[in-house]
Amino acid sequence: NAGVMQNPRHLVRRRGQEARLRCSPMKGHSHVYWYRQLPEEGLKFMVYLQKENIIDESGMPKERFSAEFPKEGPSILRIQQVVRGDSAAYFCASSPSRIGVGGENTEAFFGQGTRLTVV
Amino acid sequence: AQSVTQLDSQVPVFEEAPVELRCNYSSSVSVYLFWYVQYPNQGLQLLLKYLSGSTLVKGINGFEAEFNKSQTSFHLRKPSVHISDTAEYFCAVSPLNTDKLIFGTGTRLQVFP
Repeated sequence: NAGVMQNPRHLVRRRGQEARLRCSPMKGHSHVYWYRQLPEEGLKFMVYLQKENIIDESGMPKERFSAEFPKEGPSILRIQQVVRGDSAAYFCASSPSRIGVGGENTEAFFGQGTRLTVV
Repeated sequence: AQSVTQLDSQVPVFEEAPVELRCNYSSSVSVYLFWYVQYPNQGLQLLLKYLSGSTLVKGINGFEAEFNKSQTSFHLRKPSVHISDTAEYFCAVSPLNTDKLIFGTGTRLQVFP
């Protein structure tokens, strides 16, 4: 059972370009979370999705950022018109059930992240 | 609102010495508690978690943590560290019936020979 797969591992974009980050959850996981890690900081929650639905996007910036988790295929985090402040590591996590519900399935499995550099 | 405080941003320690990484949290509701480890340029790996039951939780790589409800703490310990334990350690809480993991800012453990 492969782990959470994120690609690309490293992404360089010029200011104003679009960045697309992909996340394939673990097999059997229908819950996906995106986190952003800025240098010297902890991870900050961005968005929680289930298949075809955005459940909680309270951590997403209001503009330029969007996320989806289609019925088929990976989850996508899209950043339009990137700026230097978007440079960070973006981590995806998946779980078999909602985190915080309880039971042995209360665990998020993290991918290795995509390191976005805006030049 | 919930928050997690990791008071020590860096902890240097010699190999084979014991170590404690501190974590305190604030929450008006019950939470689940987690410790994750992040090796350089890697994702996060779960070390251990507390959901309920015994307050002393044992995890991978010889780590353990103790949940103290009265002090709202979940400190991570290891009796004897190895060079390979050098990494960033994150404490996190998940309030019951929510969908979030709330992370502390991390503690960088550096083990010297």
